[in-house]
Amino acid sequence: DTGVSQDPRHKITKRGQNVTFRCDPISEHNRLYWYRQTLGQGPEFLTYFQNEAQLEKSRLLSDRFSAERPKGSFSTLEIQRTEQGDSAMYLCASSTNRDRGSFGEQYFGPGTRLTVT
Amino acid sequence: KNEVEQSPQNLTAQEGEFITINCSYSVGISALHWLQQHPGGGIVSLFMLSSGKKKHGRLIATINIQEKHSSLHITASHPRDSAVYICALPLVGKLIFGTGTRLQVFP
Repeated sequence: DTGVSQDPRHKITKRGQNVTFRCDPISEHNRLYWYRQTLGQGPEFLTYFQNEAQLEKSRLLSDRFSAERPKGSFSTLEIQRTEQGDSAMYLCASSTNRDRGSFGEQYFGPGTRLTVT
Repeated sequence: KNEVEQSPQNLTAQEGEFITINCSYSVGISALHWLQQHPGGGIVSLFMLSSGKKKHGRLIATINIQEKHSSLHITASHPRDSAVYICALPLVGKLIFGTGTRLQVFP
């Protein structure tokens, strides 16, 4: 257990439905990341937050995806109008960073496996 | 061309064998991560290193920043080492991952 939790661990949904995932980082970590991993591939960056500010979004994050970290603690990732191509493992990670340019060790959650039927 | 290339993609070994996994990259970095992912998805950070060598138990990671190459070694491999090993680069605040090396160690 790394101290980062994600909920739910598994989600099966029908195409066109909306889904929301939650990530609770390690409490003192100011940076929170979302990644997506499809079968047989390494994780791909989606977005990250420094405290409550969303600093970067990947071009993978279409307008159907939205992420928030309203109080700089937990974060949610919402996918609207899900498509079969959204089926993947969604991973959250957190770290401590002094400033935007620095980089600390990331601690990963167990992931949320999404299946869109 | 991917920024991070790993080899081999798949690796099988007998218990006790010495394992080497390689990672080459094409961008300038200040540090590199080695991660372990077990079936079920959980990722654990093994090493973050910026120069030379680090050792933790039976795991050894080396990096040559000038040659843009890193290796992960496992000594006296054990079936519980079976996992996917991923190298990752920190770039502009986020991690860029290799595709991973799937290791299976048989008793």
